[in-house]
Amino acid sequence: GENVEQHPSTLSVQEGDSAVIKCTYSDSASNYFPWYKQELGKRPQLIIDIRSNVGEKKDQRIAVTLNKTAKHFSLHITETQPEDSAVYFCAAGSNYKLTFGKGTLLTVNP
Amino acid sequence: ETGVTQSPTHLIKTRGQQVTLRCSSQSGHNTVSWYQQALGQGPQFIFQYYREEENGRGNFPPRFSGLQFPNYSSELNVNALELDDSALYLCASSSRGEAFFGQGTRLTVV
Repeated sequence: GENVEQHPSTLSVQEGDSAVIKCTYSDSASNYFPWYKQELGKRPQLIIDIRSNVGEKKDQRIAVTLNKTAKHFSLHITETQPEDSAVYFCAAGSNYKLTFGKGTLLTVNP
Repeated sequence: ETGVTQSPTHLIKTRGQQVTLRCSSQSGHNTVSWYQQALGQGPQFIFQYYREEENGRGNFPPRFSGLQFPNYSSELNVNALELDDSALYLCASSSRGEAFFGQGTRLTVV
């Protein structure tokens, strides 16, 4: 089955800096790679996703890159703000069956 | 809001009991997946239903079972509850590759 590794487990940045979270996956059949933001006590919220036929996708301050050959994908957040503080999860899968990483606790210090 | 609703939001059960959790999927979404999220971990895939049939299962024992109804709403049933079943249970409804989560049911087994 699929195995997703996510790094780092915690990340602390200053407001305005960039944050990068990296994930690797094992199953070459995975073709869908979403990223979720989860605030304490709330549901995971889809923030961006990418499919295996695309190498990069950007949405305002958030971007995701995918390297299919190396089986890794990354989340990039630029100009971080305190409200970006949360746990971020990467996931990999196909047909909506997702395997999640263990999460990254991002803290943006004002 | 995602349009995916779960009930109840919180539940306390005793070890050995049975529990039923419910999920109403977003309009038009015919695929529902259930996940278990233990404290401090990423969601783990339990199983998925597509048009009322089970369509994939994660590494969970048979005492975890489910149903999907003609209106695509779904139930998760857990028999013979164990202390380790304490977790946040999330359902996600899917369409065109995007999976949107409900707010979850926090199950505590005592």
